[in-house]
Amino acid sequence: GAVVSQHPSWVICKSGTSVKIECRSLDFQATTMFWYRQFPKQSLMLMATSNEGSKATYEQGVEKDKFLINHASLTLSTLTVTSAHPEDSSFYICSALTPTSGSYNEQFFGPGTRLTVL
Amino acid sequence: GQNIDQPTEMTATEGAIVQINCTYQTSGFNGLFWYQQHAGEAPTFLSYNVLDGLEEKGRFSSFLSRSKGYSYLLLKELQMKDSASYLCAVLDSNYQLIWGAGTKLIIKP
Repeated sequence: GAVVSQHPSWVICKSGTSVKIECRSLDFQATTMFWYRQFPKQSLMLMATSNEGSKATYEQGVEKDKFLINHASLTLSTLTVTSAHPEDSSFYICSALTPTSGSYNEQFFGPGTRLTVL
Repeated sequence: GQNIDQPTEMTATEGAIVQINCTYQTSGFNGLFWYQQHAGEAPTFLSYNVLDGLEEKGRFSSFLSRSKGYSYLLLKELQMKDSASYLCAVLDSNYQLIWGAGTKLIIKP
């Protein structure tokens, strides 16, 4: 299957600093990537949909000025958590849609990035 | 509103069979996914159903009834490594995935 990578896999930062997380589709071009957040014992929550070459679409309640998303190429999307606070500590997961094949396009997930803000 | 319901937790015995149910109410339907997620890891794709009926893949099978807004994931010959959360997700009319909260499956020896 298709491979999606994320970097870093984990990061610890001080409150007030910014953290950038990269999501790459390694063997396919993804016009659409999704960013999710998952708190312990909860389901995935979609934060935003990232389309190559255009502005991301954020879900209700997600601050676009705090979570900056850039999808500059067909294989790379980045999420920057600006001025991180302890409540931003979470597991951030990206996924990428494969090009449409048949009746749907499959979603492949990156391995996730665990962010801890001290 | 859009809603997906699945049990919070289930327990089963190694070697047995378990069925995890999922009911959904969404604006439109373009398919239902089942994912497996081990603690601390991203979800991995298990199955996709868009037509009614049963799809079998080795030890795992998934069933869909669109008229009832219902799906189940059937796991046979349970192994300890099957202990994980199982997430049901529906692709709505806008091709957005709506996620259930997941079912934590505990396998006992």
